[in-house]
Amino acid sequence: EAGVVQSPRYKIIEKKQPVAFWCNPISGHNTLYWYRQNLGQGPELLIRYENEEAVDDSQLPKDRFSAERLKGVDSTLKIQPAELGDSAVYLCASSSRTSGGSETQYFGPGTRLLVL
Amino acid sequence: QKEVEQNSGPLSVPEGAIASLNCTYSDRGSQSFFWYRQYSGKSPELIMFIYSNGDKEDGRFTAQLNKASQYVSLLIRDSQPSDSATYLCAVNSHNQGGKLIFGQGTELSVKP
Repeated sequence: EAGVVQSPRYKIIEKKQPVAFWCNPISGHNTLYWYRQNLGQGPELLIRYENEEAVDDSQLPKDRFSAERLKGVDSTLKIQPAELGDSAVYLCASSSRTSGGSETQYFGPGTRLLVL
Repeated sequence: QKEVEQNSGPLSVPEGAIASLNCTYSDRGSQSFFWYRQYSGKSPELIMFIYSNGDKEDGRFTAQLNKASQYVSLLIRDSQPSDSATYLCAVNSHNQGGKLIFGQGTELSVKP
């Protein structure tokens, strides 16, 4: 079974430029997550999708960040314009329900963003 | 108070010893608890999940949960240098609609 796929793996941009990240979840996983992970910290949720619907975007900085999951499969996360503080690893995850009813999340390899 | 707290380490143990990683959480209504391993420059990889009080064993790994004390731990028996990584505790937050809240991670170093 293929895992979560993300691209690009690395991105270096200058501040104020736009950037986009792409994610393809594990086949059959309806729930998709975007996280941001700063150095030395755990991942922090930006947005969660159930199929096409964003069910939790409370931590997404909506002035510059946007996301979409138009057909309920692939997703794109965009930053425009990027700021120095956006430098981080952006992780995509997808989930399935365990027998206990909770969501077990599986992560993609991440995109390392460096804003200069 | 952070919702999920871990000692950032580094925790250093000799090869073959038991490594004990600890995590506390603040949301008393949390129901699901996860341990992820993250090698440097890689993404988190699920090791174990636990829902019920007590111990859950999987190979060299044992997760322990004490809901009354709001405490979850991960024991690694017969530690190997390949176990050297950051271990992330994650809690399914009842207060935040089931969102998974991660601790900052504990760095483990297993010395040959």
